[in-house]
Amino acid sequence: DTGVSQNPRHKITKRGQNVTFRCDPISEHNRLYWYRQTLGQGPEFLTYFQNEAQLEKSRLLSDRFSAERPKGSFSTLEIQRTEQGDSAMYLCASSFRTNSGNTIYFGEGSWLTVV
Amino acid sequence: QQQVKQSPQSLIVQKGGISIINCAYENTAFDYFPWYQQFPGKGPALLIAIRPDVSEKKEGRFTISFNKSAKQFSLHIMDSQPGDSATYFCAASMGNSGTYKYIFGTGTRLKVLA
Repeated sequence: DTGVSQNPRHKITKRGQNVTFRCDPISEHNRLYWYRQTLGQGPEFLTYFQNEAQLEKSRLLSDRFSAERPKGSFSTLEIQRTEQGDSAMYLCASSFRTNSGNTIYFGEGSWLTVV
Repeated sequence: QQQVKQSPQSLIVQKGGISIINCAYENTAFDYFPWYQQFPGKGPALLIAIRPDVSEKKEGRFTISFNKSAKQFSLHIMDSQPGDSATYFCAASMGNSGTYKYIFGTGTRLKVLA
């Protein structure tokens, strides 16, 4: 399988706990994105990496959220002191720019439920 | 100006019919307009995309119509099938933004009746 891989697929955690999600992008893709999606809504942009550099962060990404992409390969998204409002699907995506555009390929998502 | 407005919120179509979903944007800097299909519990999957220098793009049963002056674009699904029942999202991105991040619409839940 050469698609974007995300782990874990589902996570239930108690409020106040920390959680970490991992994303393995398509191997030749240098761009990596994190999005958040809540029920009935479209994905919302959280942050973007080009290789190992985090080049943009949304205002949605509070201080409790941190993302890394060491060595420009896999990425992790950590949420500290989780709150019920953090319950959502966290989507990772990757892309590689070509002359025809920048097509983003999404993973299956990581569902977070904070109880 | 960063919003992409999508309608309708939900759509029911008979098998074999045409499904039409519309999107509108304000920011003329947007230069890439993809459509994604999402099944329950799955990530969005790219369906078809268009650039503003083209008024129409067709791939199989899926067609994007693009009206640059009206800042609107739409997805047409011809000969709709029950397997097309999913949520569809339009999106827009700016090539000169550096990130090429997508701004998504709110989605249209399509149900195709057998």
